[in-house]
Amino acid sequence: GQNIDQPTEMTATEGAIVQINCTYQTSGFNGLFWYQQHAGEAPTFLSYNVLDGLEEKGRFSSFLSRSKGYSYLLLKELQMKDSASYLCAVRDSNYQLIWGAGTKLIIKP
Amino acid sequence: ETGVTQTPRHLVMGMTNKKSLKCEQHLGHNAMYWYKQSAKKPLELMFVYNFKEQTENNSVPSRFSPECPNSSHLFLHLHTLQPEDSALYLCASSHRAGEDTEAFFGQGTRLTVV
Repeated sequence: GQNIDQPTEMTATEGAIVQINCTYQTSGFNGLFWYQQHAGEAPTFLSYNVLDGLEEKGRFSSFLSRSKGYSYLLLKELQMKDSASYLCAVRDSNYQLIWGAGTKLIIKP
Repeated sequence: ETGVTQTPRHLVMGMTNKKSLKCEQHLGHNAMYWYKQSAKKPLELMFVYNFKEQTENNSVPSRFSPECPNSSHLFLHLHTLQPEDSALYLCASSHRAGEDTEAFFGQGTRLTVV
């Protein structure tokens, strides 16, 4: 079967750095997405990785290792507004998006 | 504002009611999707429309009936639902199904079946 694993919940401190991991087992691979979802709001696109390595976008970076079936989202200089759920999704060989259950990130002052 | 608008935002319905969820996108996309999001579970893809043609129906019960009159509008018709159907229903759109482009989501309809 196809599976995406990510931690259910994480807590971090304002101003710090946090890394949210995602591991996947899918039938084929055609890219990995990270989305942010604030409570009661739409998921919004954060990043897309299809090749191995690090993609940086301001305070957010996403890393991919296809051989390990592994990605992480790195958030730097955490702000209170970063409190949200972070969803990892992999596009499989049929171009279907397989979603993780999301990681709820709690930022404390 | 993501360019995808869903109405209503909240809906409470009885098991014998019939209601419809509406989704509209102003992004010029050709693919539209319905997802179900339950607490602490992965997003479940329900239906996919590509250029107004339904291309995916992921074993969704017939009490959920989609309609896509054009590339900008998507409906989900609901009838005789069960309490376990209570969830957040998300609509999304993308340039074209099966491409490496991201999907844009609406804010969802929070459905409660009583």
